[in-house]
Amino acid sequence: DIRVTQSPSSLSASVGDRVTITCRASQRITSYLNWYQQKAGKAPNLLISAASNLQSGVPSRFSGGGSGTDFTLNISSLQPEDFATYYCQQTYSTVYTFGQGTKLEIK
Amino acid sequence: EVQLVESGGGLIQPGGSLRLSCAASGFTVSSNYMNWVRQAPGKGLEWVSVIYSGGSTYYADSVQGRFTISRDTSKNMVFLHMNSLRAEDTAVYYCARTQSPYTAELDYWGQGTLVTVSS
Repeated sequence: DIRVTQSPSSLSASVGDRVTITCRASQRITSYLNWYQQKAGKAPNLLISAASNLQSGVPSRFSGGGSGTDFTLNISSLQPEDFATYYCQQTYSTVYTFGQGTKLEIK
Repeated sequence: EVQLVESGGGLIQPGGSLRLSCAASGFTVSSNYMNWVRQAPGKGLEWVSVIYSGGSTYYADSVQGRFTISRDTSKNMVFLHMNSLRAEDTAVYYCARTQSPYTAELDYWGQGTLVTVSS
C-alpha cells in the first residue's frame, strides 16, 4: 500500500500567519492527493482535490500544490476558524490512505 | 441536497458482528463510488473500504477478510458488514461519497456512527 506522511504533526501559529503543511507519498501518485479539514466532533470537510483544485465555498487563502510524491497545503493568512486538524489523502491506488494529520493550534 | 446518514453503531463484544448502514439522499449511490472511513478515539482518519459504481470493492489491509461493503440500489443505501470485531475496530465510522471516479476525493460525509468493541 502507498504510505502518506504528513509534517508537522502539530503546529502552533497566530492569526494572520502563513502556514504550510507537507505531505509525502511513498511512491509517485501524480496529482491524486486531496486535503481535508476536520474540527473537533465533526466530520471532515474537503478543501482541495487533485492536489490544487480548491473546492467551491473554500476561502481562497487555502491553496495546494505539488505532484509526484511531494505536496503542500498553504494557508496564506490564518483566521480563527482555521484552527483545526488537516489531513491529506492519496487516491492513486485502489486502497486509499490518509496522512496521520496535522493539528493546527493557536499560539 | 446531498445527505448521508449512518446508523447501526453500538457496543459489541470482541468476536461479534455488526452491520452499519448509510442512507443517501440527493444522489444515487450506484452512480458514485461510496466509502467508509473510520476514526478511533483521539486518532486520525483511516480509510476502510470503497465500492465502485461498477460494483468492485476494495479494503484496507486491517479489515480485509473481515469487513464487506455492499449497497442496495432500491433503498439507495450502502452497508458495512463487520465480522470478527476486535477492540482496535472501536471508532466512529463515516460514510462518504466520491463524485469523481478520476480523482476520487470524498466530497460529502455523514455525521458518523460510533462502534465500541468491548467485553
